[in-house]
Amino acid sequence: DGGITQSPKYLFRKEGQNVTLSCEQNLNHDAMYWYRQDPGQGLRLIYYSQIVNDFQKGDIAEGYSVSREKKESFPLTVTSAQKNPTAFYLCASTGEIRGYTFGSGTRLTVV
Amino acid sequence: ILNVEQSPQSLHVQEGDSTNFTCSFPSSNFYALHWYRWETAKSPEALFVMTLNGDEKKKGRISATLNTKEGYSYLYIKGSQPEDSATYLCASAYYGGSQGNLIFGKGTKLSVKP
Repeated sequence: DGGITQSPKYLFRKEGQNVTLSCEQNLNHDAMYWYRQDPGQGLRLIYYSQIVNDFQKGDIAEGYSVSREKKESFPLTVTSAQKNPTAFYLCASTGEIRGYTFGSGTRLTVV
Repeated sequence: ILNVEQSPQSLHVQEGDSTNFTCSFPSSNFYALHWYRWETAKSPEALFVMTLNGDEKKKGRISATLNTKEGYSYLYIKGSQPEDSATYLCASAYYGGSQGNLIFGKGTKLSVKP
């Protein structure tokens, strides 16, 4: 079955450490997105990519980086510059205007 | 900054009740309105995508309407069941930005008691 796989499901990060969240899709979708959710907040866009080797900053890109070397993969790195990284992270993809397909999310906690 | 508002924030109903909630969005340069259903510990699932003023879509007991001129959409659930318990997200997209980029509301959390 086609879908989006995010890993890991839970991730713990020490202060000052970079961590990378994985997002892989086998839907042949061109566009991929990373969102962050905090308690009581809506989903906020971190980065998006419309095509391989191209990506754009979303509303809250500071402290994050991405790459899009393959159509199937859009990993998100949470750098030490991100001051408040504890949150739930969702990856999504879309091929056309049929709505997003979402992954199951990664919950990141700073310890 | 574009803002999408959903109300109510949460809703508790009895099994069998019909219910509805609202999504309000900026109508200028509107392109599309999406509804998603998000059950705890699962991925959000696309319910509807609507683009035209007056659009009405239905999926089983769930339906949605769209008014692009005044910037609102209603989601209706007829005869709520416990399995309808979830957070319902709406999101809008606009011309001028990337057409895939959505602005999400905070969601309406529905709890249906047996």
